[in-house]
Amino acid sequence: QVQLQESGPGLVEPSDTLSLTCAVSVYSISSTNWWGWIRQSPGKGLEWIGYINYSGSTYYNPSLKSRVTMSVDTSKSHFSLKLSSVTAVDTAVYYCARYERRGYYGDYWGQGTLVTVSS
Amino acid sequence: QSALTQPASVSGSPGQAITISCTGTSSDVGTYNLVSWYQRHPGKAPKLMIYDVTNRPSGVSNRFSGSKSGNTASLTISGLQAEDEADYFCSSYTTSTSLVFGGGTKVTVL
Repeated sequence: QVQLQESGPGLVEPSDTLSLTCAVSVYSISSTNWWGWIRQSPGKGLEWIGYINYSGSTYYNPSLKSRVTMSVDTSKSHFSLKLSSVTAVDTAVYYCARYERRGYYGDYWGQGTLVTVSS
Repeated sequence: QSALTQPASVSGSPGQAITISCTGTSSDVGTYNLVSWYQRHPGKAPKLMIYDVTNRPSGVSNRFSGSKSGNTASLTISGLQAEDEADYFCSSYTTSTSLVFGGGTKVTVL
């Protein structure tokens, strides 16, 4: 069973860059899947942030595209998210997920990590 | 893109059937048969329940079924059980080459 685990700072200051990593285990990150990030802000629904494949191709949510950068490190079997110029509205539980090869649904998810943006 | 619209909550008694709606637009649900549904228990990882509108992944109970009509997709849970109490989210591919989720529905088993 594919396992994904998010990690990163739980507190980020406004205007800084949020950085998270998702470790993938029991599965090759170099397979033909997409590796994605999704978040849920307090009181709101899920929001797709984007995904990346093993070769570094990316698709981002148009509303976040200007602030998002994703990367993948196949040697360490992990992929990462950077979200720049954060504000309080970026406070959320961030999930990583494996998307099937077409990229239409996430079939394995991490448990999520809470990131709070505050000074 | 705007989030898909789901009812905030749905409840039912054990053994009953409930349906959760997910309303989008012609830019997402109405155009693509690429709606998926996820179940999330508190503090747990979301679990894929339905993909491509009607398909169940291996291991998901056949009490869960999906359908779509026009711009609205639906998830039906038949024979409601206590373990079904959770949050449910729908998702769809969009014409913007992106994905959009619903606001989520809290299912309560009375």
